[in-house]
Amino acid sequence: DAGVTQSPTHLIKTRGQQVTLRCSPKSGHDTVSWYQQALGQGPQFIFQYYEEEERQRGNFPDRFSGHQFPNYSSELNVNALLLGDSALYLCASSYLAGFEQFFGPGTRLTVL
Amino acid sequence: SQQGEEDPQALSIQEGENATMNCSYKTSINNLQWYRQNSGRGLVHLILIRSNEREKHSGRLRVTLDTSKKSSSLLITASRAADTASYFCATSSGGSNYKLTFGKGTLLTVNP
Repeated sequence: DAGVTQSPTHLIKTRGQQVTLRCSPKSGHDTVSWYQQALGQGPQFIFQYYEEEERQRGNFPDRFSGHQFPNYSSELNVNALLLGDSALYLCASSYLAGFEQFFGPGTRLTVL
Repeated sequence: SQQGEEDPQALSIQEGENATMNCSYKTSINNLQWYRQNSGRGLVHLILIRSNEREKHSGRLRVTLDTSKKSSSLLITASRAADTASYFCATSSGGSNYKLTFGKGTLLTVNP
């Protein structure tokens, strides 16, 4: 049973560029959440998707957007990248927004 | 913003010793969870305690929750070198179980 998978593992971009990160949830899960983790900090909630709609959003600007597909996989898009967007981006899945969220290994984004 | 604050920020012990980490939070919660993260990779769910529970056990883990003090502790007994990791508490609160709010974590080092 595959757990949560994310791609790519690492990514290097320059300021002003756009990036798309991908996540496939654990089998049987229908809800995907995205978190940003800066170095030395705990993860910060970006948003959550359920039934292809954004259900809740954290304190992140509109440059951060997402999408959920009918197969429950999800994308996180970040436009107009800033140096401060450099972080580990974590995807977590759950069933019907259950309490326990299963995390993927993350995508390390570096903005130069 | 961070809801929880873990204490201490870093902890170094010898194999076989017990490790205790504390978490304080600011607002009323629905539940509190502890996660482990190895070397900046994905988070692994350890244990969940609901707001109406006071203590919970899972293997070598013991979690307590004191809602009057808005605090929780995680005890790892008979620690092993493989327990070396960062440990985070995460809370969900209000009408939402969707969003997890993490603390900054405790870095535990278990020396062989």
